[in-house]
Amino acid sequence: GQQLNQSPQSMFIQEGEDVSMNCTSSSIFNTWLWYKQDPGEGPVLLIALYKAGELTSNGRLTAQFGITRKDSFLNISASIPSDVGIYFCAGQRVTMAGANSKLTFGKGITLSVRP
Amino acid sequence: NAGVTQTPKFRVLKTGQSMTLLCAQDMNHEYMYWYRQDPGMGLRLIHYSVGEGTTAKGEVPDGYNVSRLKKQNFLLGLESAAPSQTSVYFCASSSRAVHLLTRTNSPLHFGNGTRLTVT
Repeated sequence: GQQLNQSPQSMFIQEGEDVSMNCTSSSIFNTWLWYKQDPGEGPVLLIALYKAGELTSNGRLTAQFGITRKDSFLNISASIPSDVGIYFCAGQRVTMAGANSKLTFGKGITLSVRP
Repeated sequence: NAGVTQTPKFRVLKTGQSMTLLCAQDMNHEYMYWYRQDPGMGLRLIHYSVGEGTTAKGEVPDGYNVSRLKKQNFLLGLESAAPSQTSVYFCASSSRAVHLLTRTNSPLHFGNGTRLTVT
């Protein structure tokens, strides 16, 4: 099946640094989503992207929907300790019968922030 | 708002035992899902439901059954637990609203997970 590639599996940065994460696919998606999972909790939606080329910000987070519709990136600026967690990208294709049965998740990137 | 609530939070089972995981959402969402999360595997869809009384298989349905008797609840059952089912299970829900531009469904809202260990 189709896959979303997120690498590396883990990233370690210093507090205050910026960090960028990519998500790539061999397939085209209509929607790109970025989720964050804090330890012991469920994923929480950070940003949703609906148009190729779209650049959207949410506080210190900025995400872009790639022009080819096969990739997306998430940038975190001026990182702080609470940015620690797992960051998942997810791509969605047009659904015909309903529901998000065609939602595909990447395997996630674990971010560690050193104080 | 409670959002998506999962019970229990933790459970240890012996091989062959059965159990039911409960998911409840108070957002009046039509769609509900069960995922499992394993190290290095990301989130994999087990079963989902597009409405009360309907369920469908996801990517990894074997060994699990589900029921959606009420709109707000989605139950995941393990009839005979196996060690391979040791995992963290997440329930999610979403509305059936469709984005006008992309015709894709609204994003998922997740619960906080159930950590299941099968020995």
